Amino acid sequence: DSGVTQTPKHLITATGQRVTLRCSPRSGDLSVYWYQQSLDQGLQFLIQYYNGEERAKGNILERFSAQQFPDLHSELNLSSLELGDSALYFCASNLAGHSYEQYFGPGTRLTVT
Amino acid sequence: AQTVTQSQPEMSVQEAETVTLSCTYDTSESDYYLFWYKQPPSRQMILVIRQEAYKQQNATENRFSVNFQKAAKSFSLKISDSQLGDAAMYFCAYRSPYSGGGADGLTFGKGTHLIIQP
Repeated sequence: DSGVTQTPKHLITATGQRVTLRCSPRSGDLSVYWYQQSLDQGLQFLIQYYNGEERAKGNILERFSAQQFPDLHSELNLSSLELGDSALYFCASNLAGHSYEQYFGPGTRLTVT
Repeated sequence: AQTVTQSQPEMSVQEAETVTLSCTYDTSESDYYLFWYKQPPSRQMILVIRQEAYKQQNATENRFSVNFQKAAKSFSLKISDSQLGDAAMYFCAYRSPYSGGGADGLTFGKGTHLIIQP
């Protein structure tokens, strides 16, 4: 158990809908990262937040957004969902942006039908 | 942009034997961090081992060790005394030493599926 929690574990929704994925980092970690794992694209970095502020952006679509709250939990919002958004979405955390390894949550499996 | 290549989509090894998974990367940076992550059927991403590029000594964690060849931009993972529980997807990952602009995010290879034959 990495100490990072993600809810829900599974999510099934229809095209065009909007969903919110939630992540709670390890106790004491200030940075949260979001990744997408799909068959087509593999594991891709989406976005990073550090202590409530957006820190870095990767291959995140404009239809996707995220935020980190004062209690350091983070939410990833996916809107206007398409079939191709079906994937496993991971959250990871570490103490600060300059730390080495990132600790991953169990992921949220999103299925868009 | 950095790229990470794992040229072996699948590897098979007999239980108790040794296997080496390959990883090469492309970067213009002189300092960086490299990682191996394991993803078993549960889909959980588990950190196996890490290497700082400025360290010449190869990292070791119990039965797992790396062969880091900086000039060749190669970072292979050796698993000794393979066990059934080692069966998983293994991902090589790169992280820039710099902060911001996406640099803190990990760049992953496509993965190697490791099969352990009993």
